Amino acid sequence: DGGITQSPKYLFRKEGQNVTLSCEQNLNHDAMYWYRQDPGQGLRLIYYSQIVNDFQKGDIAEGYSVSREKKESFPLTVTSAQKNPTAFYLCASSTSSAVSYNEQFFGPGTRLTVL
Amino acid sequence: GQQLNQSPQSMFIQEGEDVSMNCTSSSIFNTWLWYKQDPGEGPVLLIALYKAGELTSNGRLTAQFGITRKDSFLNISASIPSDVGIYFCAGLRRGAQKLVFGQGTRLTINP
Repeated sequence: DGGITQSPKYLFRKEGQNVTLSCEQNLNHDAMYWYRQDPGQGLRLIYYSQIVNDFQKGDIAEGYSVSREKKESFPLTVTSAQKNPTAFYLCASSTSSAVSYNEQFFGPGTRLTVL
Repeated sequence: GQQLNQSPQSMFIQEGEDVSMNCTSSSIFNTWLWYKQDPGEGPVLLIALYKAGELTSNGRLTAQFGITRKDSFLNISASIPSDVGIYFCAGLRRGAQKLVFGQGTRLTINP
């Protein structure tokens, strides 16, 4: 089955530690995205990548880093510089088709709790 | 970043009732998307709209791209318990490359 997988589902880390969240897709999508969701709020864009080996900052990139070495994978690292990292993190992907480019499909999410 | 104004923020209805929610902005949009999110899960795409005035259905769900291109509407007919969740609108502003999201409408259904 084609889809987007995120692992782990739940992640606990001590304050001051870096942590990497995994996102893999087998939809052959060119573009991938990372969002952060806090209770009662919409989705805020952290980083996005439209092609392998290239990525751009979103609206809240500070304290985060990404890489896009393969088309299928877009890992997100939450660094110790992120002041409030506890949140629900969502990965998404979309095709490069002009019409449906912005139909983003989401993974199941990773809930990160920093103790 | 800019977010869309989505309303209402929450709804409490009886099973079988119809539901209406909307998303508005001061900017013109080229694309409107509607998603549903179950607790602890990722959003699922329900309907995508690309033309002003477009009306698209997906089962009991119907969404419209507003004529002014500054708003969109989602209706759910004859609600059932599995409709419970948070509904998000998302849009692509003219000339932009990134989607912006509404804050969500939380739907609760009393059986």
